[in-house]
Parts: sequence; structure tokens; C-alpha cells
Amino acid sequence: DGGITQSPKYLFRKEGQNVTLSCEQNLNHDAMYWYRQDPGQGLRLIYYSQIVNDFQKGDIAEGYSVSREKKESFPLTVTSAQKNPTAFYLCASSIAGGALSYEQYFGPGTRLTVT
Amino acid sequence: RKEVEQDPGPFNVPEGATVAFNCTYSNSASQSFFWYRQDCRKEPKLLMSVYSSGNEDGRFTAQLNRASQYISLLIRDSKLSDSATYLCVVISGGGDKIIFGKGTRLHILP
Repeated sequence: DGGITQSPKYLFRKEGQNVTLSCEQNLNHDAMYWYRQDPGQGLRLIYYSQIVNDFQKGDIAEGYSVSREKKESFPLTVTSAQKNPTAFYLCASSIAGGALSYEQYFGPGTRLTVT
Repeated sequence: RKEVEQDPGPFNVPEGATVAFNCTYSNSASQSFFWYRQDCRKEPKLLMSVYSSGNEDGRFTAQLNRASQYISLLIRDSKLSDSATYLCVVISGGGDKIIFGKGTRLHILP
């Protein structure tokens, strides 16, 4: 059963702690993305990676870090430097190259609450 | 003008009716366009790509108007299950710029 998994579904952390959100895909997609969604807002791109061991900052990368050591995995770390980390975090993947490269498929998301 | 703009709604439409909404974009060089649907507290799911020639998938029709810089989504014979938020996505800058609209909320009424 191919797809994208994110865990956990709900995550609670104290302010000042770093937290890592997982994202795994078995779709054999080259590109992976991280977004955050705030209530009443559109999705905003945090980081993306088009190939293993390479990634680029999106529009709101400050306070976040990523790694892409394996094609299947693209974990996101929310650091203590992120001023407003509470949000719904969505991971997506797509086939790289050509017009289809931007048809993105999303995981179920992780709701992070930092208090 | 905002990069990507959608009427937030909500649009309250009786079951069986036809409904259409638009998404405007500011970058005339944008090259790829998509519609996603998002149910409450769920992830977005790809509904359809928007091609220059327009495309249709069952009750759904997507159109691109490059001259006026908007894409549209039309839903015919609306079902209760069509109730969701519809997000448009505009890709530009060779794929480096991915902009999601804030979405249009649609409520289909029985």
C-alpha cells in the first residue's frame, strides 16, 4: 500500500525544546516538501528537496532544519528558534521532472502544539 | 495584488446545483496550476491539474485563463460529499515558487 506517512498525528512540546517530525514515503518519489498550515491560512512552504542529500529553503525556513539522507525520508526539526511553532505540519512528495513533477501527494499531517 | 487569491466563501449551495469559483494569480509567468480539496482537519488531496486547454474529470471542469490570470473550477450536479475547502496552487519560477491559495469553503446543503 503506497503512500506517505507522518507520525505522530498529535505532538505536544514545551517551549524551548527542539522536536523532529517524521515523514516517510514509499512512492519512489524524488521530491519531498514540508509545509505548515495555520488556521485560515494557505499552506506555506518551509523546505523542499528534489534529490537525496540536497534541499532548498522555502518561504519560511527560519527556525527549521531538514535532512535528506534517504530517498524515502525527509524529517523536519522544529527548533527553539522558531517563534510560533504551533501549527499543522504537512509533508508531501512528487515525481521529479516534467509537468507531473508538481502533482504533490500529502501525508496526513502532524499537529504540533508548543506551550 | 496578492500572489494567489481566492474568495474564502463559504459558498452555500443546494445539492444538485452547479457551482464555480476562481483563483487569481499575479505572476504572468506562472507555468503550472492545480486544484486540491481539503476536508476539515485533513491533508489536501489532489483534485486535478489545470491544463492550458482546460480539462474535465467527471463532474469537475478546470479552466485556465492566462489573459486574465485566473483558473477556475466548476462542479456540476454537486453532492453532499463535495463539501470541503478547495485550494488552488500556482507554480512559477521554474518550480521554485509554489504558492497555495487560502482556499474557498464550499457547503453543499441537502
